[in-house]
Amino acid sequence: GAVVSQHPSRVICKSGTSVKIECRSLDFQATTMFWYRQFPKQSLMLMATSNEGSKATYEQGVEKDKFLINHASLTLSTLTVTSAHPEDSSFYICSARDRRSGGVSGTQYFGPGTRLTVL
Amino acid sequence: AQSVTQLDSHVSVSEGTPVLLRCNYSSSYSPSLFWYVQHPNKGLQLLLKYTSAATLVKGINGFEAEFKKSETSFHLTKPSAHMSDAAEYFCVVSDYGGSQGNLIFGKGTKLSVKP
Repeated sequence: GAVVSQHPSRVICKSGTSVKIECRSLDFQATTMFWYRQFPKQSLMLMATSNEGSKATYEQGVEKDKFLINHASLTLSTLTVTSAHPEDSSFYICSARDRRSGGVSGTQYFGPGTRLTVL
Repeated sequence: AQSVTQLDSHVSVSEGTPVLLRCNYSSSYSPSLFWYVQHPNKGLQLLLKYTSAATLVKGINGFEAEFKKSETSFHLTKPSAHMSDAAEYFCVVSDYGGSQGNLIFGKGTKLSVKP
């Protein structure tokens, strides 16, 4: 099956620093990737949708200047949390949609997630 | 707008007994519905997907779900629970009416399986 990786799996940083999280589709090309945030014991909340070669679309309430998304290629999207604060601590999950799988109805494949802790 | 409601935050069953995880949806369109499973420290895995074909959808690991339009439900079932089924399960509807086909997640149901 399709595999999506995330790196790092876990990161601890000091308040005020920036953290970059990578999302890669390993065996397929993804024109669209999604970034989610999951708080403890809660559901996944979509943060933004990134399309290769264009600007990301952010959900209401998500600060685009704080959560920078770059979809550099058909297999890589990055999320940078700038000037991180303790309230940014969360589980960040990406997903990727196979470009061959039928447009917006194509299946999304999820990465294993990145646990961010800001001290 | 699309939404899903998972009626139970936690379900506990004994190994070998049936599993029922309940989900109701709301959608302005003909919905596409999914069930995903999340094991600790692992990525979300697609169990099954409904996209307006057969109303009874069979998934992996013996799970199946039935789409009932009259009840706006998409409950997940398995005849016999296994210890390895213990995980968090998410019912999901797709916002295909939007341009991106975003997924909208329910709050999740934690399934515990007792020996």
